Amino acid sequence: DIQMTQSPSSLSASVGDRVTITCRASQGISNSLAWYQQKPGKAPKLLLYAASNLESGVPSRFSGSGSGTDYTLTISSLQPEDFATYYCQQYYSTPPATFGQGTKVEIK
Amino acid sequence: EVQLVESGGGLVKPGGSLRLSCEASGFSFSTYSMSWVRQAPGKGLEWVSSISSMSNYIHFTDSVKGRFTISRDNAKNSLHLQMNSLRVEDTAVYYCARDRGEQYLVSLDYWGQGTLVTVSS
Repeated sequence: DIQMTQSPSSLSASVGDRVTITCRASQGISNSLAWYQQKPGKAPKLLLYAASNLESGVPSRFSGSGSGTDYTLTISSLQPEDFATYYCQQYYSTPPATFGQGTKVEIK
Repeated sequence: EVQLVESGGGLVKPGGSLRLSCEASGFSFSTYSMSWVRQAPGKGLEWVSSISSMSNYIHFTDSVKGRFTISRDNAKNSLHLQMNSLRVEDTAVYYCARDRGEQYLVSLDYWGQGTLVTVSS
């Protein structure tokens, strides 16, 4: 199974900050990577798929990049509604589809 | 508007059974693969099972193989997860989700609100 490791596990940031979250796969996943946002008590929401494709309706301040085993989610200017937990998920080698452990973005 | 509504969660004793359902609306259910993902209290997301549009592909995570079954009724736009021999470690919120782009085991573009399964004596 492919293991997904996110870093950091949590971070504190201020409104307007640029935030970057990293996801590393245990083997190459050929851009078969999705990013989700989850707020407390709510279902996850798809932000990006295929590493860098923005899901419809998602603000353009969210972007994704990477290749091979290393991928990043960037929020260009953090907004109050962006404080949440973010998960990456690989779907290159399935089953199983595997998620990272999550990165909690908190208010500084 | 795409909607996924789960039901069937609750409190069950170890070794017991539950059947989760997910009612879909707002899209052509019969053309999409569907998945179940769970989240234990305070923990991350874990993929549980997926079923292709015509039920010809079905997969489970190792920890539930032989205990859970997944099925769908395309005529009724519904997805089900039959959970038998439940263990304390199956305690989680179970989400029903749609596989994006009519593909199988890919990213998940719509999610239900989740249903809580608690396994405890």
